[in-house]
Parts: sequence; C-alpha cells; structure tokens
Amino acid sequence: ELKVEQNPLFLSMQEGKNYTIYCNYSTTSDRLYWYRQDPGKSLESLFVLLSNGAVKQEGRLMASLDTKARLSTLHITAAVHDLSATYFCAVDPGGADGLTFGKGTHLIIQP
Amino acid sequence: KAGVTQTPRYLIKTRGQQVTLSCSPISGHRSVSWYQQTPGQGLQFLFEYFSETQRNKGNFPGRFSGRQFSNSRSEMNVSTLELGDSALYLCASSLVPGVEPHFGPGTRLLVL
Repeated sequence: ELKVEQNPLFLSMQEGKNYTIYCNYSTTSDRLYWYRQDPGKSLESLFVLLSNGAVKQEGRLMASLDTKARLSTLHITAAVHDLSATYFCAVDPGGADGLTFGKGTHLIIQP
Repeated sequence: KAGVTQTPRYLIKTRGQQVTLSCSPISGHRSVSWYQQTPGQGLQFLFEYFSETQRNKGNFPGRFSGRQFSNSRSEMNVSTLELGDSALYLCASSLVPGVEPHFGPGTRLLVL
C-alpha cells in the first residue's frame, strides 16, 4: 500500500523567511503533484513532477523530485502572507488507483 | 476554457437518505475521478471513470457508487447516508486517466 508522508503538518513562519515542506512516499511513482488549498476551497494545482531531478518554479515556490530517495520538496522563498494555505503532495503510482495524498501542511505566514 | 463544475455546491441531508452529486469535466477531458475529504481521514480516492467504465474504486463501502455518461459527465451516489459521510466531495477531470487532474470546487455534504 502506497503511503505518502508530509512534514511538517503545521508550519507558522514570518514573512520574508525561507522554508521547505517535505513529501516522502513509499513506492515507485509515475507522477508527483503539489496542490494548494485555501480554507473552504478546492485544490489548486501548483506543480506536476514527472522525472527524477525535476525542478519547477513558480514565483516564490519551487518544487523538486528525487525518485531514488522517494522524496519531493516544496521550497518557499521569502514567504509572503498570501502564501498562507494548506499544501498537499499527491502521488500517482500508476494503474487506476487514483492519487494518494499526504495529510497536508497547514502553512501560516505572519506579517 | 471552463473548469470542472460540480453541483450542488452544498447539501444537507439526514441519516438514511441518499444523495447524488454531479460533475461536469473540462471540455475534452474523458477521465473523471472522485475524492472524499474529511478532517479525520484527509483526501481519499473514491473511484475513477474513463470512457463510461469504472477503472477502480477506493476502499469505500458499496453504498458509494458512481457512473459516467457518454458526454463524460459523472455522477456519484451515496445511499443510506451516515453521519460519517459528511465531507467535501471533490471531482477531478483529466484528458486521460492519471494525467494532471484538475479539481472542481467540490460539493460539501452535511449529514444530520
């Protein structure tokens, strides 16, 4: 059974600081996704990572994938309040089992 | 391009009733998957449809069922509702199964 672990599950940080969210998964995967969810809202797609060493950046967010270590990271640079949200990583193991999600990282960025 | 739409957005039911939720995928997308989100269990895969066929189902009881129509629209049904079925139900569509699913706004179901 595929397991996806995110840490930390809760993160409170100040604006301007850098931080990294980690996503470990237990079996090989075709794709890894990062999503953002605002309170009461749906999931907004941030990144899809397809291959070992993949790195994608959008604004202050950068995601990377190490398939050998079964690890993805979401790095936040110079955080701003608008990035406050819950961030999920999700792994697609292939086949027809859908995505397996981590528990999410609840991120609060304080001015 | 219009996104994934789900109806209704909010729903209140009582235990024992049944409910049907609807999902219209992005135009051209033929795969639809459903997820349940609860504070306790997080996001869990319910089922996935492609070309009107259910490809797989997550670990949910038989009270949860679904279908997909020829226009790729999908419905899911929950019969004999229980309090624990209260959740946000998310639908996602993709061109083909598993490739960059895009999520709809969700249907929030409250079972009293």
